[in-house]
Amino acid sequence: DAKTTQPPSMDCAEGRAANLPCNHSTISGNEYVYWYRQIHSQGPQYIIHGLKNNETNEMASLIITEDRKSSTLILPHATLRDTAVYYCIVCPGANSKLTFGKGITLSVRP
Amino acid sequence: DARVTQTPRDKVTEMGQEVTMRCQPILGHNTVFWYRQTMMQGLELLAYFRNRAPLDDSGMPKDRFSAEMPDATLATLKIQPSEPRDSAVYFCASGLHKSLAGDNEQFFGPGTRLTVL
Repeated sequence: DAKTTQPPSMDCAEGRAANLPCNHSTISGNEYVYWYRQIHSQGPQYIIHGLKNNETNEMASLIITEDRKSSTLILPHATLRDTAVYYCIVCPGANSKLTFGKGITLSVRP
Repeated sequence: DARVTQTPRDKVTEMGQEVTMRCQPILGHNTVFWYRQTMMQGLELLAYFRNRAPLDDSGMPKDRFSAEMPDATLATLKIQPSEPRDSAVYFCASGLHKSLAGDNEQFFGPGTRLTVL
């Protein structure tokens, strides 16, 4: 599976958009980009995934560059409850293992 | 609100003892995963099952760990004998594999925090 690179941490102000970057320059054509997050002391939680097109759901938006070598997860209006470790994962999709890296720690400040 | 449940939530045991962790996947899900999380190693996949059959257990130490699915509503992870280095949080996750590309949403349980003294 392709590897991903994320900054170790970032912060943003409550109510502002949080833009979390991820590099995956070795991604293959059949690999999807997944985002999960883990709030302290809880199990990871699925957020969103995409292949080529930008995706949006009730939690977030996923912007994938045209060459698919990087992506950005956008939390449009961050709240204190969004403070968590966010994992960007690349994998072929169905029937695939998720390999979690170190993720990025997002701290939302009041 | 369907959830993955895990028992026990916390377990403290002494080295050499047998430990059994249980997971009830979401009803209707056909894939079950076991992960382990430590500060040093992060989240690691230990094993996973599809329709109760083991698909991959390459991440699991074979000499002391075993994972089974006695039925569709129960997955177990057993450590015998336990060692202090097994101390970690063990997560179970389930998902519904529908043979669709991109279908890899996993629902995680709250975890079992294991401490081996």
